[in-house]
Amino acid sequence: LAKTTQPISMDSYEGQEVNITCSHNNIATNDYITWYQQFPSQGPRFIIQGYKTKVTNEVASLFIPADRKSSTLSLPRVSLSDTAVYYCLVVPRQGGSYIPTFGRGTSLIVHP
Amino acid sequence: ETGVTQTPRHLVMGMTNKKSLKCEQHLGHNAMYWYKQSAKKPLELMFVYSLEERVENNSVPSRFSPECPNSSHLFLHLHTLQPEDSALYLCASSQEGLGETQYFGPGTRLLVL
Repeated sequence: LAKTTQPISMDSYEGQEVNITCSHNNIATNDYITWYQQFPSQGPRFIIQGYKTKVTNEVASLFIPADRKSSTLSLPRVSLSDTAVYYCLVVPRQGGSYIPTFGRGTSLIVHP
Repeated sequence: ETGVTQTPRHLVMGMTNKKSLKCEQHLGHNAMYWYKQSAKKPLELMFVYSLEERVENNSVPSRFSPECPNSSHLFLHLHTLQPEDSALYLCASSQEGLGETQYFGPGTRLLVL
């Protein structure tokens, strides 16, 4: 089971681009990288998933290098409402005995 | 709005009470989950149901009793809880089982006195 490591916290300011990196050194061939966002007192919300190279949607971009041992979630031009905890998960393509492990995530605080 | 609803949103109960948390998903998913999130702790998976059968019980104390009568509804029955059980209880669902993207409800904030 691939373990993930990400910074505990980050600070940014409105309008800046924020990059959150997650390390997953023992990622398996059939594993995907998935990011969730959680606001205080709410459930996590799926934001993006990728396997390799780059994935972009209306919320974020996900950059995955060729070795796939890390990934970077990029939030363009953050606003105060992007203040949340961001979780990186490595998820097998077929669940099997996989147990979702959210870890502590990265607490992002966006300042005015 | 994720398509997963939870009631009640807040609950205060004594240690001798019996209460139930309810979760309903309107997404046509086949798997449902209960998580516990204590203050400043990671999410802890409690139970997983796939096609109404429990497939995972993550060493949860017996004072928590899940029930999944159909693929759209999930309950968590609570009895003789302890103050340390106070937490945010989150329900989630996914298309199939573990490994699929999960859609979470807003949670029930539980306080045990």
